[in-house]
Amino acid sequence: DAGVTQSPTHLIKTRGQQVTLRCSPKSGHDTVSWYQQALGQGPQFIFQYYEEEERQRGNFPDRFSGHQFPNYSSELNVNALLLGDSALYLCASSLEETQYFGPGTRLLVL
Amino acid sequence: GESVGLHLPTLSVQEGDNSIINCAYSNSASDYFIWYKQESGKGPQFIIDIRSNMDKRQGQRVTVLLNKTVKHLSLQIAATQPGDSAVYFCAENMGGFQKLVFGTGTRLLVSP
Repeated sequence: DAGVTQSPTHLIKTRGQQVTLRCSPKSGHDTVSWYQQALGQGPQFIFQYYEEEERQRGNFPDRFSGHQFPNYSSELNVNALLLGDSALYLCASSLEETQYFGPGTRLLVL
Repeated sequence: GESVGLHLPTLSVQEGDNSIINCAYSNSASDYFIWYKQESGKGPQFIIDIRSNMDKRQGQRVTVLLNKTVKHLSLQIAATQPGDSAVYFCAENMGGFQKLVFGTGTRLLVSP
């Protein structure tokens, strides 16, 4: 049984560009949460998707948006990239309370 | 404000020792807590969790203690091994929709 998978593993973009990150949840999980982890810090909650709707959102600007598909997979979109968006983006899936994380996508904005 | 913090940023132990990693949380309404282990270049790995109606929970070589009176959480690792070297995060579930708040982490270094 595959765990949470994310793609791509690494990505380099320039300021002002847009990026889409993808996540496939663990089999049987229906909820996907996205986190941003800056170097040397703990993950910060971006938002959570359940039943294809954004259920909860952290303190991130509208440049960060997402989507959940009928098969529970999810995308994170970031528009108008800033240098400060460079981070590890983590996806976590869950059925109840316990969240299981994927390996992350390392985004570098130049 | 929302915060989950750790007392020690780095903990160095010898192989075979017991390790204790501490965490303070600020939201007395939080009802679920998780410890994660994160190795370099990887995502956080679930270790153990505990609900607020418990004060102790044991897993394989790990024990989590919860003291709600002082809003303190600890992770005990028995017979620490070099493979336990990683950054450990405690996370607090704030609200019913599984929003996790993480601290900055504690780096555990295990010497052979």
